Amino acid sequence: DGGITQSPKYLFRKEGQNVTLSCEQNLNHDAMYWYRQDPGQGLRLIYYSQIVNDFQKGDIAEGYSVSREKKESFPLTVTSAQKNPTAFYLCASSSRSGTNQPQHFGDGTRLSIL
Amino acid sequence: AQRVTQPEKLLSVFKGAPVELKCNYSYSGSPELFWYVQYSRQRLQLLLRHISRESIKGFTADLNKGETSFHLKKPFAQEEDSAMYYCAPEGNMLTFGGGTRLMVKP
Repeated sequence: DGGITQSPKYLFRKEGQNVTLSCEQNLNHDAMYWYRQDPGQGLRLIYYSQIVNDFQKGDIAEGYSVSREKKESFPLTVTSAQKNPTAFYLCASSSRSGTNQPQHFGDGTRLSIL
Repeated sequence: AQRVTQPEKLLSVFKGAPVELKCNYSYSGSPELFWYVQYSRQRLQLLLRHISRESIKGFTADLNKGETSFHLKKPFAQEEDSAMYYCAPEGNMLTFGGGTRLMVKP
């Protein structure tokens, strides 16, 4: 599914550093999502956005920030306040949240601490 | 918020055996539910959805409102079915279950 592109594939963060993960979609989807995937814990929702210039916190938003200035882009910033950022991050989109449409996922970004 | 639980983190079966991955939901109404699958080194992708009542790769899932369940079933497991499976409700805040890793042994 080449409709969602996440970059980079691997990312390393130094202590006290903010890093931004990119997510771009060309599916003309209204809704976009960020998840964190940890071993044995499945997927946990960080932030989601139903429309441009609007976003809501998910279950584990602390230490993260997002923006949705363009329909096709939903970058995620992992701030220094996130004390345990090492994880696999997945971005997804759907045509419209709340209308029984499935999500389409990117390949993910693996973030590690140096 | 709509929640689902997948009680088994790991399910191991032999090839040819029946498999059932459990998913329970905790809200009322008529939920729309999905099963997603993540094969090794592949993207998480939709497997099937409740509303379609379809069979994909031999898998089916029936919504049981009385038991508030949406278990994923396949009568004869294949080795290529080994993957991570997630149950998820449709909604404004799509919260996935914890996932079940299915291992099909030869």
